[in-house]
Parts: sequence; structure tokens; C-alpha cells
Amino acid sequence: DSGVTQTPKHLITATGQRVTLRCSPRSGDLSVYWYQQSLDQGLQFLIQYYNGEERAKGNILERFSAQQFPDLHSELNLSSLELGDSALYFCASSSSGAGANVLTFGAGSRLTVL
Amino acid sequence: AQKITQTQPGMFVQEKEAVTLDCTYDTSDPSYGLFWYKQPSSGEMIFLIYQGSYDQQNATEGRYSLNFQKARKSANLVISASQLGDSAMYFCAMREAFGTSYGKLTFGQGTILTVHP
Repeated sequence: DSGVTQTPKHLITATGQRVTLRCSPRSGDLSVYWYQQSLDQGLQFLIQYYNGEERAKGNILERFSAQQFPDLHSELNLSSLELGDSALYFCASSSSGAGANVLTFGAGSRLTVL
Repeated sequence: AQKITQTQPGMFVQEKEAVTLDCTYDTSDPSYGLFWYKQPSSGEMIFLIYQGSYDQQNATEGRYSLNFQKARKSANLVISASQLGDSAMYFCAMREAFGTSYGKLTFGQGTILTVHP
């Protein structure tokens, strides 16, 4: 157990729907990252939050949004889902936003869009 | 341009042998960090080893060592005495200390390692 908790582990939904993925970072970690892993795109950085504030943004679609709450958990909202959104979504956390701080990954949420 | 390049889609090694997984990177930042992660078939991402750009010595963690050649911008992972449990996907990643990519890790495409008995 890495200490980073992601729910749900698996999610099957239909095109056009909206889903929310949840992440609880490791105790004491202030920074949360979201990554998308798909066969064709590999591991793509989506967005990073540090202590509730957005720190960096990657290739995140406008249909996707995220936030980090005061208790430091984070949610990734995916809307108007398309088949191509099917992927493994990882949340990772670290104690700060930079330096040698290692990103600790959760087990991932596997999203299947039918 | 690709920031992290792993040129070996797949590698095979005999159990108990050593194997090197290649990684080259591209950055103009003077301060950066290089990471290796392992992803077994179960899907989780497991941190293996870290090398800072200013570190004078190559990083080692048990059977893992990082062959860091700064001038060549390479950060190869060496796994000694391979075990069957080492069969997995291996990712090289970089964190740049400055600029818009501050904080995040950029990953390579990965190398699938298969250890044969």
C-alpha cells in the first residue's frame, strides 16, 4: 500500500457521461498530481495542485477539471466522455512541489468508456 | 521534442544476469532530477531510484543503479542479478526545477523487461 488512495478502482460508463475520480494523498503530502495512461499516449501529465492551488497544467482537456480541497484530497472530473478517454488515471502525491521529492502513486482508476 | 527517450520497447534477460535499460533526456535547465519507476502487470507505479543533476556519484538502491552520464544526457538503469519478479514495464522520468514544468514528472514511453528463468 503506497499510502495514496484512489477510488474507484474500476469504472465503466457510457459516452457522454460524467465521472469523478477521487484521490487521497499520502499523509503529510501537500502536492497532488494527476496522470493519464493510455496505450497510444503513454503516461501524460494532466494537472498538479499544491496545498489547494493549481501549480502546473499539462495536456488536460477542457472537458476535464480538477480541484484540491482543504483536507488535501483531490478530485478529477471528466465530462462528456468519449471512447478515447478510456485509460488508467493515476493520482500521485509528494511532500512538496519540487526537488528530489519522490512522487508516490496510487493504484490508479481504470476508466472504460463504452 | 521528446524530453525523455527510451529507445528499447522491449528487453529480455536471463535470470541472475544484469540488464541495462536506456534513457536519454533533453533539458536546458541546470537543475533537474531523474527518476525510474517500475510498473508490474498489476498496474501500480513503484519508485525505484533517483538521481539529481548535481549529484557527483551515481545513485544506487539495492540491485538498482543509475548510470548517469550528464554530458551525454543519459540516465540508464542497471538491474543486477535479475529476478523473475523484475519482469515489468520500466519508466524513466525527469523533473525540471524551473519553468512551466516545475514540479511535474515527464515520463518516457517505457521499456518492457522480461526475465527468463
